Amino acid sequence: GENVEQHPSTLSVQEGDSAVIKCTYSDSASNYFPWYKQELGKGPQLIIDIRSNVGEKKDQRIAVTLNKTAKHFSLHITETQPEDSAVYFCAAANDYKLSFGAGTTVTVRA
Amino acid sequence: GAGVSQSPSNKVTEKGKDVELRCDPISGHTALYWYRQRLGQGLEFLIYFQGNSAPDKSGLPSDRFSAERTGESVSTLTIQRTQQEDSAVYLCASSLDRGSGDTQYFGPGTRLTVL
Repeated sequence: GENVEQHPSTLSVQEGDSAVIKCTYSDSASNYFPWYKQELGKGPQLIIDIRSNVGEKKDQRIAVTLNKTAKHFSLHITETQPEDSAVYFCAAANDYKLSFGAGTTVTVRA
Repeated sequence: GAGVSQSPSNKVTEKGKDVELRCDPISGHTALYWYRQRLGQGLEFLIYFQGNSAPDKSGLPSDRFSAERTGESVSTLTIQRTQQEDSAVYLCASSLDRGSGDTQYFGPGTRLTVL
């Protein structure tokens, strides 16, 4: 089955700086890569996703890049704000089944 | 509109008891998923429903776990003879249809503690 690895497990950044989270996956058939943000006591919320026919996608301060050859994808958050503090999960899917990374706890220091 | 809801939000039970967790998906979503999230870890897939059928139960950890869905709507996850290792947050998600690229919307989860 699919195996997704996510790094780093924790990330502390100064407000206004950028944050980068990286994931690798094992199944070359995976073609959908969502990123979820989970705040304390809440369920994960989709923040951005990318499909295998696209190399990069941007939505305001958030961007995701995908390298299918190397089987890795990354989340970039620019101009970080305190409300960006949360746990972020990457996932990969071929068909309906999402396989999640272990998560990255992001802390934005004021 | 209403999102995915789950009940109860918290459940504390004694080892050996049975528990039932409920999920109400977004209206009209045909696909429904259950995941387990252990403390500090990612989400583990448990089971997938398309309509009222469960074509993929491959993630259920043991035969103590079962799930059903009725009316192409509400789903219940039942854990029999609970064990301490069952303690986790159980998350439900739904999507409009199956297939890669269909956004899965998550509920807030049920935090299960087995004493």
